[in-house]
Amino acid sequence: GAGVSQSPSNKVTEKGKDVELRCDPISGHTALYWYRQRLGQGLEFLIYFQGNSAPDKSGLPSDRFSAERTGGSVSTLTIQRTQQEDSAVYLCASSRGRSLTGELFFGEGSRLTVL
Amino acid sequence: DAKTTQPNSMESNEEEPVHLPCNHSTISGTDYIHWYRQLPSQGPEYVIHGLTSNVNNRMASLAIAEDRKSSTLILHRATLRDAAVYYCTSRGEGAQKLVFGQGTRLTINP
Repeated sequence: GAGVSQSPSNKVTEKGKDVELRCDPISGHTALYWYRQRLGQGLEFLIYFQGNSAPDKSGLPSDRFSAERTGGSVSTLTIQRTQQEDSAVYLCASSRGRSLTGELFFGEGSRLTVL
Repeated sequence: DAKTTQPNSMESNEEEPVHLPCNHSTISGTDYIHWYRQLPSQGPEYVIHGLTSNVNNRMASLAIAEDRKSSTLILHRATLRDAAVYYCTSRGEGAQKLVFGQGTRLTINP
């Protein structure tokens, strides 16, 4: 499809396990963002990529969280040693570039449940 | 980051206009004001954005106060499909992220 694709759509894991969430942005979009949304809450910024580099990692909540982007396209968000507080929907968005008026296109999110 | 403040919830009737307010008193002169909405179980979708002038598109209108400390998203004739959480956000020059608050949950009554 032409939109932002995220997988898995749902993930249930046990506390202490590692998880990987994948985001496939719109082709040609150089900027990629990860957000977290806890139940009933707003969006919490995690990390921003421009190409393969991450100039803003300020939102990553702990060193258990990491993200990478390869080939200026697909990104993976990894959460190590998951905790129950990590349960949330993880949203990925992409945009064309550095434009101040760049519209963000969001995926449908990956719902993570940590038991 | 500029902070935005919105009412937690609003309610309106189908086919009536809806005015969703947002305060952004700390916004800088070059910050655009963006509005997104999130339907249930979906990712947010873009609605409209503007800098100083009022803006219109097929989805909505955006009225920006002259001092830019507040703005209002206007849905001219609400439908049941407009029921969503509406986020007023800002994105500063050099700050490559949108900061989302709690948003306004809009309920549309038939």
